[in-house]
Amino acid sequence: QSALTQPASVSGSPGQSITISCTGTSSDVGGYSYVSWYQQHPDKAPKLIIYDVSHRPSGVSNRFSGSKSGNAASLTISGLQAEDEADYYCISYTASFSLVFGTGTKVTVL
Amino acid sequence: EVQLVESGGGLVQPGKSLRLSCAASGFTFADYAMHWVRQAPGKGLEWVSGIRWNGGSSGYGDSVKGRFTISRDNAKNSLFLEMNSLKVEDTGLYYCAKDGTRWGDYFYMDVWGKGTTVTVSS
Repeated sequence: QSALTQPASVSGSPGQSITISCTGTSSDVGGYSYVSWYQQHPDKAPKLIIYDVSHRPSGVSNRFSGSKSGNAASLTISGLQAEDEADYYCISYTASFSLVFGTGTKVTVL
Repeated sequence: EVQLVESGGGLVQPGKSLRLSCAASGFTFADYAMHWVRQAPGKGLEWVSGIRWNGGSSGYGDSVKGRFTISRDNAKNSLFLEMNSLKVEDTGLYYCAKDGTRWGDYFYMDVWGKGTTVTVSS
């Protein structure tokens, strides 16, 4: 099972919106509505920010939103803030009864 | 408060075995699937394994299939990862994580521990 493809880095200015893509295949992202997203700050454990493609856990800012089209999922961060600077990972359930992470995206707030 | 505490990490030689444990508290452990996720130094996250709430099914990442075994003891609120035939590339921080769906399979992780470090080196 190959890792899902994410851009290595995305940047934006405070207040702007950015979108991170997560591309897989029909055997993972395209075949299931079990895509979730995680935010990881340096030397910290990952934090769940989106599950089941577009659902936000309680306590997570509504500036984070998720969607999916075909074999690709996306995470959008609107109203970018300095605290959003972190690494972001997607993960999807797969036809092999396993999960696979994306390659990870470093978000920089300019 | 939901809490996951990993233990059992350490320095081990290639080809040897190691057993990781995860002690859970603050939630009904027996109702949720659980995961192991690892992160090599300076690298991204890698899903290692997951197990259903009742232990009835489990899954593994391709790189550990056939070498690692996940298990759980619902009576003791504990999750385990038996790691055999360890390789240098198994080195990393191993996280225990709780699934977010009650009475479901392993789909996503909503609570994470702080991790335990495994170093495979001669």
